[in-house]
Amino acid sequence: QQQVKQSPQSLIVQKGGIPIINCAYENTAFDYFPWYQQFPGKGPALLIAIRPDVSEKKEGRFTISFNKSAKQFSLHIMDSQPGDSATYFCAASSGSNYQLIWGAGTKLIIKP
Amino acid sequence: DAGVIQSPRHEVTEMGQEVTLRCKPISGHDYLFWYRQTMMRGLELLIYFNNNVPIDDSGMPEDRFSAKMPNASFSTLKIQPSEPRDSAVYFCASRGQGISGYEQFFGPGTRLTVL
Repeated sequence: QQQVKQSPQSLIVQKGGIPIINCAYENTAFDYFPWYQQFPGKGPALLIAIRPDVSEKKEGRFTISFNKSAKQFSLHIMDSQPGDSATYFCAASSGSNYQLIWGAGTKLIIKP
Repeated sequence: DAGVIQSPRHEVTEMGQEVTLRCKPISGHDYLFWYRQTMMRGLELLIYFNNNVPIDDSGMPEDRFSAKMPNASFSTLKIQPSEPRDSAVYFCASRGQGISGYEQFFGPGTRLTVL
């Protein structure tokens, strides 16, 4: 019930392509869905987040798509660049619990 | 703001030794989280504090692990005695209220190697 399932585990995309990372959840009480980006040797950092009252949110080249009925959300990276190579984590939280429930992470490599 | 500060950045110790990891959260933040990251298990929440009080320590793997937050600007995670399977990167994160909402700000981590 508390899990967030993330796929794929790893992803290789050519520069300019659109990598898509997917996450699914079961707990309908979740009301906050962030994506974190982690570079080697660094801690994760918030990239973009969405609440379930909207179906899509864009910040620069990064877009979250949210499907409340399917209990799924995904991260799209437009015009991907080698500098986007990192590990991406989805997460979820509910207002009653300040913990983030984390996905397993996706290692993304953007080839030049 | 300097962000979340962790020390040491790297720690190499021998099995059976005591290890103490330190964290200074962002000033004004009232939540502090300790995580462990490994290739096998990903990012695991060990314990979190609210206003210096431990709220949930269900992620602490064993009694060998303990965490304290004596004041709003300092927390420690202690492992005694350490074992090779404790080798991991340990992150501290903090969050506050207001505009940043639920965002957790992570420190650079402490890479622990237990030989």
